[in-house]
Amino acid sequence: KQEVTQIPAALSVPEGENLVLNCSFTDSAIYNLQWFRQDPGKGLTSLLLIQSSQREQTSGRLNASLDKSSGRSTLYIAASQPGDSATYLCAVKGTYKYIFGTGTRLKVLA
Amino acid sequence: NAGVTQTPKFQVLKTGQSMTLQCAQDMNHNSMYWYRQDPGMGLRLIYYSASEGTTDKGEVPNGYNVSRLNKREFSLRLESAAPSQTSVYFCASILAGGTGTGELFFGEGSRLTVL
Repeated sequence: KQEVTQIPAALSVPEGENLVLNCSFTDSAIYNLQWFRQDPGKGLTSLLLIQSSQREQTSGRLNASLDKSSGRSTLYIAASQPGDSATYLCAVKGTYKYIFGTGTRLKVLA
Repeated sequence: NAGVTQTPKFQVLKTGQSMTLQCAQDMNHNSMYWYRQDPGMGLRLIYYSASEGTTDKGEVPNGYNVSRLNKREFSLRLESAAPSQTSVYFCASILAGGTGTGELFFGEGSRLTVL
C-alpha cells in the first residue's frame, strides 16, 4: 500500500529565503508525481507535474525534483514571498489512482 | 473553460438524510475521483472510476456510493448521512493512458455539514 509523507508539517520562514519542501513515498512504482498548492478554504491548484521518466520540472520560482529509486521528491521555492503562504501537497499516481501526503503548511513572514 | 464542476458548493444535512454530490468534467477525461479532506488528514480517496462503466473503492468508501453516469459525470451519494461525514469533498479527473499526461484536475470542492 502506497504511503506518502511530507516533512515538515509546518514551516515558517522570513521573506526572501530559499526553501525546500520534502515528499517521500513507499512504493517506487509510480507513474506521476504532482505538487499542489492550497490556500485556506480553497481548492487545489496544480503547481508542477513530474512524469516517472523525468527528473525535474520548473515553473518560475518553483523547481520540483523526483528520485524514484529513493522514493523522494522535493519542491524548491526560490526567493520566497508572503504570497507563497499556503499548504503544499504532493500526490503520487500508481496504476489508477493518486495518493496524497498530508501537506506542509508554509508561512512566509514579511 | 469550465474544467471540473461540482454541485452543490455548500450543504447542511441532518443525520440520516441522504444527498448526492454531482461532478462533471468537460475535458474528455477518462478517470474520475472523489476525495474527502479533513483537518490534519490530507485528502483521502473515497471512490474512483478508472474508465466509463467501472468504479472501485478507495481508502474510505464506507457510507458512500458512486455512479459513473457517463464519461463526463461521476456522482457521490450519501444514503444516510452521519456527523463523521462532515467534510470538504473534492472531485477530480485525469486523462490517463495514450496521449494523456495523467495530470490531476480538481473541482472547487463541496462543503458538507451533517448535524
